[in-house]
Amino acid sequence: KQEVTQIPAALSVPEGENLVLNCSFTDSAIYNLQWFRQDPGKGLTSLLLIQSSQREQTSGRLNASLDKSSGRSTLYIAASQPGDSATYLCAAVVSNYQLIWGAGTKLIIKP
Amino acid sequence: SQTIHQWPATLVQPVGSPLSLECTVEGTSNPNLYWYRQAAGRGLQLLFYSIGIGQISSEVPQNLSASRPQDRQFILSSKKLLLSDSGFYLCAWSGAGSREKLFFGSGTQLSVL
Repeated sequence: KQEVTQIPAALSVPEGENLVLNCSFTDSAIYNLQWFRQDPGKGLTSLLLIQSSQREQTSGRLNASLDKSSGRSTLYIAASQPGDSATYLCAAVVSNYQLIWGAGTKLIIKP
Repeated sequence: SQTIHQWPATLVQPVGSPLSLECTVEGTSNPNLYWYRQAAGRGLQLLFYSIGIGQISSEVPQNLSASRPQDRQFILSSKKLLLSDSGFYLCAWSGAGSREKLFFGSGTQLSVL
């Protein structure tokens, strides 16, 4: 049974720092892995999708990597800003409709 | 471009009352549609998904039902709400297949009192 874990559960860093959020999954048989951002009381915003055949994806200051063999994905945020404060969730796609979700990392960027 | 609309944003309902949450998608055809629930401090739980009109799959036995009367319309319903139905409900859509991104609506905060 696929399980997705995100560590740490919460992270607080000063503005301007580069940071890494971690996502691990127990079964390497995934179609892709997706990263999302959720602001309080809001829906989720899709950030990056990494296909199972890919190693990384980049969008602006965000870079997501995928290592299926070790069951790990990381989300790298460069030059963090207060506006990056949110909860970040990863999800492993295991079928056409089923995503296995991590519990999220709550990120606070201090001005 | 594609957009997803979900309403209402907040809802307070008494126990035993009915529920109807609606979600519509614009700018795409034959999307996969999903209803998720997010309880406070917990992860996302898939409630229903649909790959086409009238095709609904339930992931979790519960007090809720879903319908897809039109290609881009997805409705979450209940005949009698329970206290345990409180939570944040999210509608989402994706293209068909496993390689597609998932896009979410803005959510409905349901409080059952």
